Amino acid sequence: DADVTQTPRNRITKTGKRIMLECSQTKGHDRMYWYRQDPGLGLRLIYYSFDVKDINKGEISDGYSVSRQAQAKFSLSLESAIPNQTALYFCATSERLARASGRADTQYFGPGTRLTVL
Amino acid sequence: RKEVEQDPGPFNVPEGATVAFNCTYSNSASQSFFWYRQDCRKEPKLLMSVYSSGNEDGRITAQLNRASQYISLLIRDSKLSDSATYLCVVNGGGSNYKLTFGKGTLLTVNP
Repeated sequence: DADVTQTPRNRITKTGKRIMLECSQTKGHDRMYWYRQDPGLGLRLIYYSFDVKDINKGEISDGYSVSRQAQAKFSLSLESAIPNQTALYFCATSERLARASGRADTQYFGPGTRLTVL
Repeated sequence: RKEVEQDPGPFNVPEGATVAFNCTYSNSASQSFFWYRQDCRKEPKLLMSVYSSGNEDGRITAQLNRASQYISLLIRDSKLSDSATYLCVVNGGGSNYKLTFGKGTLLTVNP
């Protein structure tokens, strides 16, 4: 079974609809992330969470919200979807490394959700 | 300079060729460096961490030059299965969670 799963895998919706993307992980990692990927722009961080109830904005959080109610789950919501939110969305996880280790967390990605907003 | 900048590509090479990917980063405080591989319509997967001493895994070699803020990836004897997008990834310096991704370079290996 996959360590990081995302649902749905594909979604087509209309402008103004509320959408929730779900992410679950069995890796036991504390840290979880949401990214979007657009052609020519690479991966951009939307939100991240270091623990349950801990929420931090990434570089492009406007128009999105998240919820981390359990260590294994991190959901992303689009309250009122708009066409420029059409993208490939990835959830990722990482374990917490000691800062003194000098190493960055390796991030493990889910399979992605392809969202189309018409 | 952009935070992480890669060759825009795409690269088209025949099987057996050697291909080099280049990447520069702007944050001199960055401490961790990675190459990720992303197959078409799939998630990015860690290919290799990059260390100051350089590292090699079979046909693949990664190098880091901190003075020049430059990272490279070399694939020798390329295979059809090497066809993918290669992402240069750097941490934000001073933090071990924030990763900045390059836009990626698409490699197609042709028979």
